[in-house]
Amino acid sequence: EVQLVQSGAEVKMPGYSLKISCQGSGYSFSNSWIGWVRQMPGKGLEWMGIIYPGDSDTRYSPSFQGLVTISADKSINTAYLQLRASDTAIYYCARQRGQQHPFDYWGQGTLVTVSS
Amino acid sequence: IQMTQSPSSLSAYVGDRVTITCRASQDISGYLNWYQQKPGKAPKLLIYAASSLQSGVPSRFSGSESGTDFTLTITSLQPEDFATYYCQQSYGMPGTFGQGTKVEIK
Repeated sequence: EVQLVQSGAEVKMPGYSLKISCQGSGYSFSNSWIGWVRQMPGKGLEWMGIIYPGDSDTRYSPSFQGLVTISADKSINTAYLQLRASDTAIYYCARQRGQQHPFDYWGQGTLVTVSS
Repeated sequence: IQMTQSPSSLSAYVGDRVTITCRASQDISGYLNWYQQKPGKAPKLLIYAASSLQSGVPSRFSGSESGTDFTLTITSLQPEDFATYYCQQSYGMPGTFGQGTKVEIK
C-alpha cells in the first residue's frame, strides 16, 4: 500500500525557519516525483515545487522560487520542504509517477501556524 | 499556464447531474486532472488525463475534453459528493490548479 506520512503540526513565529518531512512507503521512492502543495485557510491549492529523489532533480514554481527549498534523502525514503514561516497554511506532499502524471497519492498534510 | 475553473460554487440536490468546467490558457494535450477535497482532508484524485477514471472512483464521475476546455460531470449526485473540486494541468511545470468549485447541498 502506497503511503505518504508527513511530520506533525508546527507553530512558529514569523520569519522562523522550519522543515517539513514526507516519508514514502509501499513503492519505489527513488523512481517517482514528490510534489509540495500549499493551501492557505479557506483557499485553493497552490503547486509549490517537485523533486525526483532518484537524482534530486528539483523544479520550483516561480511563485515559490527562492522562498522554499525542496530536498530528499532517498536512503530513508523522505522528502523535505524547508521554508520561513510567513503565513498559516497546510502543506501537502503528493506522489507523481512521471513528469506529466497526476498526483495520485497524498500525505495527510502538515499545518503550519504562524503566530507572534 | 493558467487554469480557469467555473463555477466557483454551486448548489444541487441529491440525484442531480452536475457539470464543472475548466479552461486552459494554452494547449495542454489532455494532461488535465480532477481532484475532490472534503473539509479537513487531503485532495483525492478522481480523473486523470482528462477522461481516465482513477481506480476505486465511482463511475458516476466522468471527464471530457474539447480543445482547451475540460469538463467534470457527476451523474446522480450523492450525499458523499458534496465537496470542493479542483482541476489541475500536468502538461508543464508548475502544475497549476484551478480555483476550485464548491458543491453544496440545495
